[in-house]
Amino acid sequence: GAGVSQSPRYKVAKRGQDVALRCDPISGHVSLFWYQQALGQGPEFLTYFQNEAQLDKSGLPSDRFFAERPEGSVSTLKIQRTQQEDSAVYLCASSSGFNQPQHFGDGTRLSIL
Amino acid sequence: DQQVKQNSPSLSVQEGRISILNCDYTNSMFDYFLWYKKYPAEGPTFLISISSIKDKNEDGRFTVFLNKSAKHLSLHIVPSQPGDSAVYFCAVLTNTGNQFYFGTGTSLTVIP
Repeated sequence: GAGVSQSPRYKVAKRGQDVALRCDPISGHVSLFWYQQALGQGPEFLTYFQNEAQLDKSGLPSDRFFAERPEGSVSTLKIQRTQQEDSAVYLCASSSGFNQPQHFGDGTRLSIL
Repeated sequence: DQQVKQNSPSLSVQEGRISILNCDYTNSMFDYFLWYKKYPAEGPTFLISISSIKDKNEDGRFTVFLNKSAKHLSLHIVPSQPGDSAVYFCAVLTNTGNQFYFGTGTSLTVIP
């Protein structure tokens, strides 16, 4: 499809397990963003890539969170040793460049038991 | 600290009337402002934007107004339609261009 694709749509994991969330951005979009959205809140910035370079990771809540985009297209957000407070919807967005609107995927709903 | 605030969590409007959604921000260095619309179980969809050099941008039924001195942004929908019922988020972009801040959203219900 032409939009941002995220997988899986839903993920349930036990506390302490590692999870990996995938994002396929719109083809040709150089900028890619990850957000965390808690219930009843707006998306909160996690990290930003321009092509394969991670230019800003100031929003990652702890060193258990790691994101990569090795070839400048698909990105993976990994959460190690998951905890219950990691339960949220994780949104990925891409844009064609500076000061351009971001196009969002439908998110991955992560539930940690 | 919340950089972007939407103080009305919900709003109900009769079909055909005007919907006005409001947003306040704290940092005068923000220079690009957007509105997103979100349906349940879907990601936010870009609706309309405005840069800090303008005070109004219009696209069909949607108009965004920017009052820089008051650090206030609003979205007007005229006339409102039942399909407009969704959660609306305002977002601001830092002048480095790489970080968006979102408000907490306003749930709009348009009553037929």
